[in-house]
Amino acid sequence: GENVEQHPSTLSVQEGDSAVIKCTYSDSASNYFPWYKQELGKGPQLIIDIRSNVGEKKDQRIAVTLNKTAKHFSLHITETQPEDSAVYFCAASGGSYIPTFGRGTSLIVHP
Amino acid sequence: ETGVTQSPTHLIKTRGQQVTLRCSSQSGHNTVSWYQQALGQGPQFIFQYYREEENGRGNFPPRFSGLQFPNYSSELNVNALELDDSALYLCASREGTDEQYFGPGTRLTVT
Repeated sequence: GENVEQHPSTLSVQEGDSAVIKCTYSDSASNYFPWYKQELGKGPQLIIDIRSNVGEKKDQRIAVTLNKTAKHFSLHITETQPEDSAVYFCAASGGSYIPTFGRGTSLIVHP
Repeated sequence: ETGVTQSPTHLIKTRGQQVTLRCSSQSGHNTVSWYQQALGQGPQFIFQYYREEENGRGNFPPRFSGLQFPNYSSELNVNALELDDSALYLCASREGTDEQYFGPGTRLTVT
């Protein structure tokens, strides 16, 4: 089955800095890579996703890159704000559309 | 906020008991999935229902079972509760191959 590794487990930045979270996956058949943000006491919220026919996708301060050859994908958050503080999960899925999640990154943005 | 709702919010059960968790899908979504999220971990896939039929299952024992109703709402049933079943249980719904949306979860504590 699919295995998703996510790093780092904790990321602490100053407000205004950039944050990068990296994930690797094992199944070359995976073709859909969503990223979720989970705030305390809430369910995961989809913030951006990318499909395997695209190398990069941006949405305002958030971007995701995908390297299919190396089987890794990354989340980039620019100009971080305190409200970006949360746990972020990457995931990978294939034809079944059932995602395998990474273990999460706790992002802390200091004012 | 997504249109996915879950009940109850919190639940405390004793080892050996049975529990039923409920989920109401976002309008128009015909696929619902259930996940178990242990503290500090990413969500783990339990099973998925499409039009009232189970069409995918993760590595969970048969005492985890479910139902999907004609209105696409769903139940997760867990029999013979064990201490390790303590977790946040998440429901997610989607339409076809589109991205899935999570509910806020039910926090189950087994004592």
